[in-house]
Amino acid sequence: RKEVEQDPGPFNVPEGATVAFNCTYSNSASQSFFWYRQDCRKEPKLLMSVYSSGNEDGRFTAQLNRASQYISLLIRDSKLSDSATYLCVLPPGGYNKLIFGAGTRLAVHP
Amino acid sequence: GAVVSQHPSRVICKSGTSVKIECRSLDFQATTMFWYRQFPKQSLMLMATSNEGSKATYEQGVEKDKFLINHASLTLSTLTVTSAHPEDSSFYICSAEGLTSGYQETQYFGPGTRLLVL
Repeated sequence: RKEVEQDPGPFNVPEGATVAFNCTYSNSASQSFFWYRQDCRKEPKLLMSVYSSGNEDGRFTAQLNRASQYISLLIRDSKLSDSATYLCVLPPGGYNKLIFGAGTRLAVHP
Repeated sequence: GAVVSQHPSRVICKSGTSVKIECRSLDFQATTMFWYRQFPKQSLMLMATSNEGSKATYEQGVEKDKFLINHASLTLSTLTVTSAHPEDSSFYICSAEGLTSGYQETQYFGPGTRLLVL
């Protein structure tokens, strides 16, 4: 089983929709997680950090389910500018080595 | 936020030549830098971890003699792809980790270098 698994998508949604992605992880000892956003041909940029049960920042909500070993990212009121690939990332037992999921592609259309 | 730069942003070279990519942390000191590679439609794969003043730690399957890493200062790490071949064509991204004012320790990514070997 891969350390981090994500549905590659693409998720095609209209503007204003609510969309959610899940990410499953295999290392039950993982304590923190990150969601990064990567635009086409650009570097990843940190979107949210998740250290406990969840985190909310504006239209974005990340939740952690330790029992089922998955984290989710919910985007409300989708904007065209939200179109990107969303990477689920975890550091295994520490903060230095990040492990990236393959990413979930989101396409928001008018 | 913290700024990390990479140079060059894009390079095209002939097979057999060597290419050097620079990664700089511009407004903070990076005790650790990381080098990643990303092929089209795939995720980032960590190649090596670079600590200032010591030898880099390479991930399994990454040839240390082919991908030379030098981290001579707290703000600069370089990756040299020696005797590049077409299969080395990829998107190379560095990240820098360090404590910045007002931020907890995290990784900040450079904009990446797109390498095409003909």
